[in-house]
Formats: sequence, structure tokens, C-alpha cells
Amino acid sequence: DGGITQSPKYLFRKEGQNVTLSCEQNLNHDAMYWYRQDPGQGLRLIYYSQIVNDFQKGDIAEGYSVSREKKESFPLTVTSAQKNPTAFYLCASSPMEDNEQFFGPGTRLTVL
Amino acid sequence: AQRVTQPEKLLSVFKGAPVELKCNYSYSGSPELFWYVQYSRQRLQLLLRHISRESIKGFTADLNKGETSFHLKKPFAQEEDSAMYYCATEGGATNKLIFGTGTLLAVQP
Repeated sequence: DGGITQSPKYLFRKEGQNVTLSCEQNLNHDAMYWYRQDPGQGLRLIYYSQIVNDFQKGDIAEGYSVSREKKESFPLTVTSAQKNPTAFYLCASSPMEDNEQFFGPGTRLTVL
Repeated sequence: AQRVTQPEKLLSVFKGAPVELKCNYSYSGSPELFWYVQYSRQRLQLLLRHISRESIKGFTADLNKGETSFHLKKPFAQEEDSAMYYCATEGGATNKLIFGTGTLLAVQP
């Protein structure tokens, strides 16, 4: 089954711990994105990457980090510096020649 | 900076009634605009984009450059249209998209 996968579906973390969310795609897309979805605030861009080994900060990058060592993978680490990490996180990808983005199923992170 | 405004957080209509979900954008130049939809327990997916000029599931959206709007319309709402709808515009030189805050459409029987 082709597409974008995110794991885990639900994640619980204690305050002060870092946690890494997985995002994998087999669509051969060059660009990948991480968004945070909160009620009433829509989708806010955390980080994006247009090519392997390169990424840029989005609008709310503070407290997050990413890596792009492989074209198909774009993991997001939520660090203890993120003040309000409980949220629904969405990963997306797009081909370089088109603006349409394809989304994963999301990971719901809850900090206890 | 580019911005997308969806003024309604919630739109509630009865089955068979017309629907219009509002979207206004700020962008210098000729933007590409999208409507994405998120049904309950499903992933966010593209509904339509203005360059394709298609009608998807009975929905249409016309780009009005004078009013900088891209409202989503459907003449007769169905219960299965109930979902969260997001308007988005391209973010400039990169493939970034700028999303609005979303409108929850609730179609009552």
C-alpha cells in the first residue's frame, strides 16, 4: 500500500522527556512537512524539507527538531523545550513539481 | 506575508440546503488555491484546487481575484459532507502551503 505512514498513532510522554515521531513515505516525493493541528488554530507548519540533508524552520519550530537523512523519512523530535507539546501532529509530502500535499494519518501526542 | 482567512469556525445546515464555506486570502501575484477536507477518523485529503476547475463530490470553488476569495460551494448539502474543511494557498517560492483555521461543516438530517 503506497502513501505516507506515521507511527505511533497515539503517544504518551512524561514532562521533561524528548520523543520522536516517525514519518515515512514511498511516493518518491522530494518535499516533506510537519504540521501541528490544534482546535481553532488550523494547521501550523513546524519544519519542512525540500531535499535530503536540508530542512527549514516553519512558523512554530521552537522546541522541535528534525532530520532528513533519507528521502523517504522525516522524523520529528519533540523536545522538553516545547512548552505545550500535547497536540495532533501531521506529516505530509509533495513532489517538487507540484504544490499538492499528501498527508499521513497523524500522531496524537499527549504529555502527562 | 501570505494569509488565509476562514471566518466561520462552524457552519451548520440542514440536508438539502445550499452550502458556502468562505475563504479569503492575501497574496501578491497569482496564487494557487486549494480546499482540503478531513472526514471523521480519516486523513486530511485534497478536495479540489482552482487550477483543475473540477467539481468534486458536488463542490465547486471559483477564484475571485478582485475579492481575493475562494469560497467553496455546494447547492444541496448531504449528511456525508459533514467534515472539517481547510482552505490553503501556496507559500511562495517553496512548495509550502498556508492553511486557514478551518471550518467545521455539520449537515443535520
